[in-house]
This record gives sequence, C-alpha cells and structure tokens, in this order.
Amino acid sequence: DGGITQSPKYLFRKEGQNVTLSCEQNLNHDAMYWYRQDPGQGLRLIYYSQIVNDFQKGDIAEGYSVSREKKESFPLTVTSAQKNPTAFYLCASSMEETQYFGPGTRLLVL
Amino acid sequence: RKEVEQDPGPFNVPEGATVAFNCTYSNSASQSFFWYRQDCRKEPKLLMSVYSSGNEDGRFTAQLNRASQYISLLIRDSKLSDSATYLCVVNLPSGNTPLVFGKGTRLSVIA
Repeated sequence: DGGITQSPKYLFRKEGQNVTLSCEQNLNHDAMYWYRQDPGQGLRLIYYSQIVNDFQKGDIAEGYSVSREKKESFPLTVTSAQKNPTAFYLCASSMEETQYFGPGTRLLVL
Repeated sequence: RKEVEQDPGPFNVPEGATVAFNCTYSNSASQSFFWYRQDCRKEPKLLMSVYSSGNEDGRFTAQLNRASQYISLLIRDSKLSDSATYLCVVNLPSGNTPLVFGKGTRLSVIA
C-alpha cells in the first residue's frame, strides 16, 4: 500500500518537554511538508523540504525543528519553546504541486 | 486582503440540491488551483485540480476566473456523503509558502 503514515495518532506533552512527530511516505515523493491546523482555522505551513538534507521555514516555524535525512522520512520536533502547541499536525508530500496528506497527529498539552 | 478567502458557511442544503462555493485569491501570478475536501477530524483529501478551461468530475465542476481572481466549485445532486468542509488551495509563485489553504467552506447536506 502506497501512502503517508503519521504516528502517533494522539500525543500528550508535558510542560518543558520536546516531542517528535513521525511522518513516513513510500510514494517516492521528493517534497514533504508539515502543517498545523487549529480549530476553525486553515492550514498553516511550519516547515517544508524539497529534497533530502534541505528544508525551509514556513510561516510559523518558531518553536519547531525538522530533519530530512532520508527521502521517506520528515520528522517534526515540537520544542519547549513552542508555547501553544495544542493543534492538529498534518504531514504532506508531493511530487509536483499536488499535495497528499497523512492522517495527522493530535498534540495535547497536559 | 487575505491571500485566499472563502465564505465559511455553513451551507445547509437538502439532498439533491445544487450548491456552489466561490473562493477569491489575491496573487494574480498564481498558476495552480485546487479544491480539497476535509471531513471532521480527518486529513484534507484532494477533490480536484482546477484548470483554466474549467473541468468536471462526475457531479463536481470547477471553474477558474483569472480576470476576477476567483475559483468556484459546483456540486450537483448533493448526497449526504458530500457533507464536509471544502478547502480552496492556491499556489504562491514567490514567498516561503508553496501552497496557501483557505479556511474552508462547510457544507451540510440534509435528508
């Protein structure tokens, strides 16, 4: 089955803790993206990567970090510097412009 | 002016009705346009790309009006399963955001 997987489905973060969200794709897509969605809001771009070992900040990169060591994988770390991390996090990948999304991770703060 | 604007709705329509959504975009250099569908608490899924000449996929028709900078989505013979939020998506040729997503228009089809 080709697709994009994200894990975990739900993640709980304690104050001052860094947490990492996983995103894997087997579509052989070059580009991968991380978005954040808050209730009633549109998707906002956090980071994106168009090729292995390279990534760019999106509109709301502060408090987040990423790596792209393999084509298939684009993990997102939510650091303690992100003061309002509760949201629905969506990973996407694309070959050209059309983006395809994983099922998302809901991050909640304890 | 926001980059992509949509009427949030909700649009409440009976089964079998025809419903249309518009979306306006601010960057006249935008070249790629899409409609995505998002069900509650799920990820967005591509519904259709929007081509310059307009395109149709079954009950769904998408149109682009470059002069007025808007795209539209028409749904004919609405089904209960069409209930979802419809996201308008536009590319930005410059800047650090490859695609910009609208906040969505909520559709509720009622039996």
